[in-house]
Amino acid sequence: DAGVIQSPRHEVTEMGQEVTLRCKPISGHNSLFWYRQTMMRGLELLIYFNNNVPIDDSGMPEDRFSAKMPNASFSTLKIQPSEPRDSAVYFCASSFIGQGYEQYFGPGTRLTVT
Amino acid sequence: AQKVTQAQTEISVVEKEDVTLDCVYETRDTTYYLFWYKQPPSGELVFLIRRNSFDEQNEISGRYSWNFQKSTSSFNFTITASQVVDSAVYFCARDSGAGSYQLTFGKGTKLSVIP
Repeated sequence: DAGVIQSPRHEVTEMGQEVTLRCKPISGHNSLFWYRQTMMRGLELLIYFNNNVPIDDSGMPEDRFSAKMPNASFSTLKIQPSEPRDSAVYFCASSFIGQGYEQYFGPGTRLTVT
Repeated sequence: AQKVTQAQTEISVVEKEDVTLDCVYETRDTTYYLFWYKQPPSGELVFLIRRNSFDEQNEISGRYSWNFQKSTSSFNFTITASQVVDSAVYFCARDSGAGSYQLTFGKGTKLSVIP
């Protein structure tokens, strides 16, 4: 079975540009999580969805960040406008709540904002 | 969220040595889940194990073993006969409690296995 798929794997953009990160969760999973990882702050949960509904977005740093999950097989994380401090690795993870809580992570998107 | 502490920031061992990574967690719940993840230099996060608080049996998987001690709120991870491929950052995590589906991660322990 395919794991969690993220695209792009690398993104380099200039400050002020819009960035869209994409995630396809594992088929059959009912929860999806977006994380950000930096050296300074470690692994931070940004937002998570259960059955396509956002449950907790308290980790979203500010209004420049938004996330959507229009269906069970696709989610986006958008940053508009991007800033250099947004540079990080962004992970998407999915899980099936009801059979344990383990989350399976995608390969990540390394974002660099110059 | 209930805290997970990995006191060892970095550990270096020589290949074939055994190494134990410590994890201590806070808990105010009777039922909870614990996890270990591995993040090799390539960057992906790999799920290793899930443990339910009701199951205190230790688990062994090849060279990996886990020691779950509810009395000390610890869930330690031992690698026997370490190999260079074990070099990675290892994260301990637990569910965030109160029926939350989120995971709370420790800061991670960076393990370097020297040939």
